[in-house]
Amino acid sequence: EVQLVQSGAEVKKPGDSLRISCEGSGYNFTTYWIAWVRQMPGKGLEWMGIIYPGDSDTKYSPSFQGQVTISADKSISTAYLQWTSLKASDTAMYYCARAHPRMGLDYWGQGTLVTVSS
Amino acid sequence: SYELTQPPSVSVSPGQTARITCSGDALPKKYAYWYQQKSGQAPVLVLYEDSKRPSGIPERFSGSSSGTMATLTISGAQVEDEADYYCYSTDNSGNSRGNWVFGGGTKLTVL
Repeated sequence: EVQLVQSGAEVKKPGDSLRISCEGSGYNFTTYWIAWVRQMPGKGLEWMGIIYPGDSDTKYSPSFQGQVTISADKSISTAYLQWTSLKASDTAMYYCARAHPRMGLDYWGQGTLVTVSS
Repeated sequence: SYELTQPPSVSVSPGQTARITCSGDALPKKYAYWYQQKSGQAPVLVLYEDSKRPSGIPERFSGSSSGTMATLTISGAQVEDEADYYCYSTDNSGNSRGNWVFGGGTKLTVL
């Protein structure tokens, strides 16, 4: 069974750094792209970027380029999303999802809620 | 940047047909995908490649695409179909590394 399990909720202060994770299982993690999606409170889904864990090839949405870093460790089947200096506007639910070549984002993690508040 | 446009809301009575549209300039050449998101839950894929249903998605969900518009149709909408629906596609950059975007979402009310 394909599963993506994300790390738990985080409460941080502005200026803090953070890395959240997404562990894949039940499939060959290195051969499917993993996307990250943001959902701000009460708002819609936003595609942030995507990584191919096999070689760490990465593509960012122009809206998120330079704001976050997407990485992966294929040895432990885990993708990451990280910030060096959080802002209150980073408060959101973050989802990872597997990108199937034909089916789009076919499996999703349960989401990681990030709250940034002073 | 590329945009997909959806109506903010659609409302139908149970048993009626709900249609949710998604417009985008690249849709004549690129597939649309549709996601259902119920309150407090992660999104679920309901259609891929314009009109194909993943296993487990009821037959009342169907899709089509013509020109710059893709349409999700729910025939005989049920109360449990009440959710936010998002279309998803890419601009003409192509493959998985292209710029993918979601539509703004449509809140479907069934009552």
